Amino acid sequence: EPEVTQTPSHQVTQMGQEVILRCVPISNHLYFYWYRQILGQKVEFLVSFYNNEISEKSEIFDDQFSVERPDGSNFTLKIRSTKLEDSAMYFCASRDLNTGELFFGEGSRLTVL
Amino acid sequence: QKEVEQDPGPLSVPEGAIVSLNCTYSNSAFQYFMWYRQYSRKGPELLMYTYSSGNKEDGRFTAQVDKSSKYISLFIRDSQPSDSATYLCAAAGGTSYGKLTFGQGTILTVHP
Repeated sequence: EPEVTQTPSHQVTQMGQEVILRCVPISNHLYFYWYRQILGQKVEFLVSFYNNEISEKSEIFDDQFSVERPDGSNFTLKIRSTKLEDSAMYFCASRDLNTGELFFGEGSRLTVL
Repeated sequence: QKEVEQDPGPLSVPEGAIVSLNCTYSNSAFQYFMWYRQYSRKGPELLMYTYSSGNKEDGRFTAQVDKSSKYISLFIRDSQPSDSATYLCAAAGGTSYGKLTFGQGTILTVHP
């Protein structure tokens, strides 16, 4: 069964460092998303991406964040200068255009020290 | 104002019980409603997806949406220990089909 894959599964970084989280969405999906979940809190929408541009973003997604689809398969989330409060699980998702269903990856756990 | 509210539980039931999980929402624009299951430190797994009001059944799972009262439910029949997880309700609407608003999640434990 097709799935969304994410790397790394866990990354530890120092405050102020840049981090890139990678995702390979399901191959025939065209809409891609990043969500995050701070420990013990709700899953929150960050950004949606379609046709090589951001279609919507939340207020969390400030100038420190960027997304990119560098090739035909990868979708990345970059955090330019990490803060302690960026520590969270980051989930990539892609959407089936026919059914509208959103499928999530296993997540990348980011720990900022 | 919280857009999707869900009792976090925890909820503990014996194996074989019928489980009822519920959410309320406030945004009238929501048209798409989902239930996800999440195991500890894993990604949300889609269980049920419904559009507008009505019921949808899939095996032991039944999802109900009542738009008039802004109420979303998930019923699990003949619950199994493997159903132990956190259950997340989510909603989306308008043109933002993929911008989901999640509830807090309900922690469910089914004990043998």
